[in-house]
Amino acid sequence: QSVLTQPPSVSGAPGQRVTISCTGSSSNIGAGSVVHWYQQVPGTVPKLLIYGDNLRPSGVPDRFSGSKSGTSASLAIAGLQADDEADYYCQSYDSSRRGPVIFGGGTRLTVL
Amino acid sequence: QVQLMQSGAEVKKSGASVKVSCKASGYTFTSYYVNWVRQAPGQGLEWMGRMDPHTEDTNLAQKFHGRVTMTVNRSLRTAYMELSSLKSEDTAVYYCARGYSDYKADQWGQGTLVTVSS
Repeated sequence: QSVLTQPPSVSGAPGQRVTISCTGSSSNIGAGSVVHWYQQVPGTVPKLLIYGDNLRPSGVPDRFSGSKSGTSASLAIAGLQADDEADYYCQSYDSSRRGPVIFGGGTRLTVL
Repeated sequence: QVQLMQSGAEVKKSGASVKVSCKASGYTFTSYYVNWVRQAPGQGLEWMGRMDPHTEDTNLAQKFHGRVTMTVNRSLRTAYMELSSLKSEDTAVYYCARGYSDYKADQWGQGTLVTVSS
């Protein structure tokens, strides 16, 4: 069971907006630890999508955005496209013995 | 361009050890951490640890203490991760990834499949 909890799956139609939640605790997100998000298209290598809670690496479209509040973080994807279909993982730092680095269990995004 | 090139797939028996290499190019090797992350078949990502190639300081996830050794050869720009006392549950794709102080990883190797059989 992951320290960071994500929904196993989300779905949306092309053009729609979806959000993926990442719920942590007082030893990680709630303590102010930054959150990073990765996208992994099945069969490929993970790709850094959002870092530092809400920053996009060069080349990542602004359709992808991150936010954080309290003990949770969220990834929003606007204007869904077929090639957004992938697994998405949140990552953060945890001060407990489960850390220091923890990943969420991953969320499979299906574009209908 | 930044590249991390990993060694090829391995098949090992339970109880054996495996050593995976990760050769870096296209950036100053000693200026970034090397993270190791694994992914069991059909499962999520699991952080194993990281090494600072400049100082050789290592930071491991608790569950891998005593079983994982991370080393580096700076002249070859190559990092290594050795996992010992292999179990079937260690069957996974092992990734190296270039890392930062805030633990983000922006460039990943292609992955190395390690299969452990009894």
